[in-house]
Amino acid sequence: AQTVTQSQPEMSVQEAETVTLSCTYDTSESNYYLFWYKQPPSRQMILVIRQEAYKQQNATENRFSVNFQKAAKSFSLKISDSQLGDTAMYFCAFAGNQFYFGTGTSLTVIP
Amino acid sequence: GAVVSQHPSRVICKSGTSVKIECRSLDFQATTMFWYRQFPKQSLMLMATSNEGSKATYEQGVEKDKFLINHASLTLSTLTVTSAHPEDSSFYICSARPGDRASGELFFGEGSRLTVL
Repeated sequence: AQTVTQSQPEMSVQEAETVTLSCTYDTSESNYYLFWYKQPPSRQMILVIRQEAYKQQNATENRFSVNFQKAAKSFSLKISDSQLGDTAMYFCAFAGNQFYFGTGTSLTVIP
Repeated sequence: GAVVSQHPSRVICKSGTSVKIECRSLDFQATTMFWYRQFPKQSLMLMATSNEGSKATYEQGVEKDKFLINHASLTLSTLTVTSAHPEDSSFYICSARPGDRASGELFFGEGSRLTVL
């Protein structure tokens, strides 16, 4: 079975600084996708960034980038120039035949 | 991006009654929809996978007779909480994956908060 682990239940970062959220996963599948989703207080799930496992190049989306280490099964999210609106729960997710979420990291951006 | 609509967003019911939550994909066909339950400050727990035209696949520990799932069309899945009890109070979220799995991405509904009195 697939598992997705986020080892940081809570994190905080000063506004305009950079923060990295960690995620590891376990799978025997070779073709899959990895995602980071954001869940603000409104509880609407919002896609932050996507990574295809077959691509070696790390995905980047404006201030958000990932460090994808396939051999290590690691998929961390880096948020640069943190903004107050980045305060939210962040979930790492694995998508293969099924879709699994990590336990989440609560990120607080401090003014 | 694709839009998934979930209704109602909030529902309050009396213990022993049944509640139906609808999940619609508005601009794409979804052969597969997923139902999640989320407790406060916790992750999304997959309850079941809903496949159009066939029976849902339930995760271990989820009562099939308590949580009835129907996926009658490519754009609609429903979750019915039968004989609801206060412990069923929770936040329920549906998601859908477009028929084309190239992206693998899930699109989420806005969620439904169920309160059972």
